[in-house]
Amino acid sequence: QKEVEQNSGPLSVPEGAIASLNCTYSDRVSQSFFWYRQYSGKSPELIMSIYSNGDKEDGRFTAQLNKASQYVSLLIRDSQPSDSATYLCAVADYSNDYKLSFGAGTTVTVRA
Amino acid sequence: SQTIHQWPATLVQPVGSPLSLECTVEGTSNPNLYWYRQAAGRGLQLLFYSIGIDQISSEVPQNLSASRPQDRQFILSSKKLLLSDSGFYLCAWRGPKRGGHEQFFGPGTRLTVL
Repeated sequence: QKEVEQNSGPLSVPEGAIASLNCTYSDRVSQSFFWYRQYSGKSPELIMSIYSNGDKEDGRFTAQLNKASQYVSLLIRDSQPSDSATYLCAVADYSNDYKLSFGAGTTVTVRA
Repeated sequence: SQTIHQWPATLVQPVGSPLSLECTVEGTSNPNLYWYRQAAGRGLQLLFYSIGIDQISSEVPQNLSASRPQDRQFILSSKKLLLSDSGFYLCAWRGPKRGGHEQFFGPGTRLTVL
């Protein structure tokens, strides 16, 4: 059973600041990593996927992956009130038919 | 473009009643399909996944079952609901898009068992 752990929340940041979300995973063969955003009462929405070590940027979002440390993070720059949501980390590997294992999520609140 | 539909959006059912939730995907062929449950304040739990018609794998033993009668249709059922079946049920698909690893979720069905 894969374990995916995320930093406990809630995380409160002022508008315009950087929100930093962390995720660690237990299975070294994990190969695919994803960040989902889930607004209250809504379904998760995929915002980032990363497969190789290093950084991947998409707009105000940057995902960072370090497979040696079994660590993946998400940075949200210039945080906006609309970024207030729960962020879910998910990992998958080909040997498990790419089934996703999810962390419990970190709730982010951006203060205006 | 691909879209995924789920219905109903909300459902309130008494204990012991049957259940049928439906999920359909448009704009793709032969997707992998998944059913998840998210209990209040908890993470996502994978219930079933399917790689093709009538090919279902169960992840968690329980009183739920799944069926895939058509390529893009996935159904979650129960003969008798329990209180513990309450939750947010999410269908997801994975297909040949951008490497094929990403899963995309439907809008979900919120089930309350009373």
